Amino acid sequence: NAGVTQTPKFQVLKTGQSMTLQCAQDMNHNSMYWYRQDPGMGLRLIYYSASEGTTDKGEVPNGYNVSRLNKREFSLRLESAAPSQTSVYFCASSGWRERTDTQYFGPGTRLTVL
Amino acid sequence: AQSVTQLDSHVSVSEGTPVLLRCNYSSSYSPSLFWYVQHPNKGLQLLLKYTSAATLVKGINGFEAEFKKSETSFHLTKPSAHMSDAAEYFCVGGRGSTLGRLYFGRGTQLTVWP
Repeated sequence: NAGVTQTPKFQVLKTGQSMTLQCAQDMNHNSMYWYRQDPGMGLRLIYYSASEGTTDKGEVPNGYNVSRLNKREFSLRLESAAPSQTSVYFCASSGWRERTDTQYFGPGTRLTVL
Repeated sequence: AQSVTQLDSHVSVSEGTPVLLRCNYSSSYSPSLFWYVQHPNKGLQLLLKYTSAATLVKGINGFEAEFKKSETSFHLTKPSAHMSDAAEYFCVGGRGSTLGRLYFGRGTQLTVWP
């Protein structure tokens, strides 16, 4: 099992450009999450999807959109990138079968917006 | 409301000496609690988790944590630090339900001196 995979690993954008971060999990988990990590801030939840077909806002959703494409895939889109969105983005997943809220994380995408 | 506070942003120890990383939580219900570790430029790895089965939780790499309800604490300890333990550690709280929204502390950077 690959676990949680993310693409790309690195990305540099200019202000105003758009891009989509991809995330996939092969653990048959129902719930998926997008976080951003900034120095000294821990991880902050951007959006989450409790199950296929549902998405909800987290703490910092402004400037982002998400799509739960199917049970495996959850993408994060920046429509018009801003320098404040320079961050490391992590995708995570969790599953009902495990009977806990343990989340498993991908390796991250490092995004720089110039 | 749920929140997690890591009491130290940086901890430095010498190799072979004990490690103590402190975490307090606030919750109006019985929480689930986790410690994750993040090595430089890597994703988050689960060290251990508390889900009410036992108050002393053993994790990977010799780490353990004790849930103390009276003190609302979940401190992470290790008897003897190793150079490879140098990383950032996150204390994380959850609702203990299968819908896993997690609440991250701001992280503690552990430095291990030779």
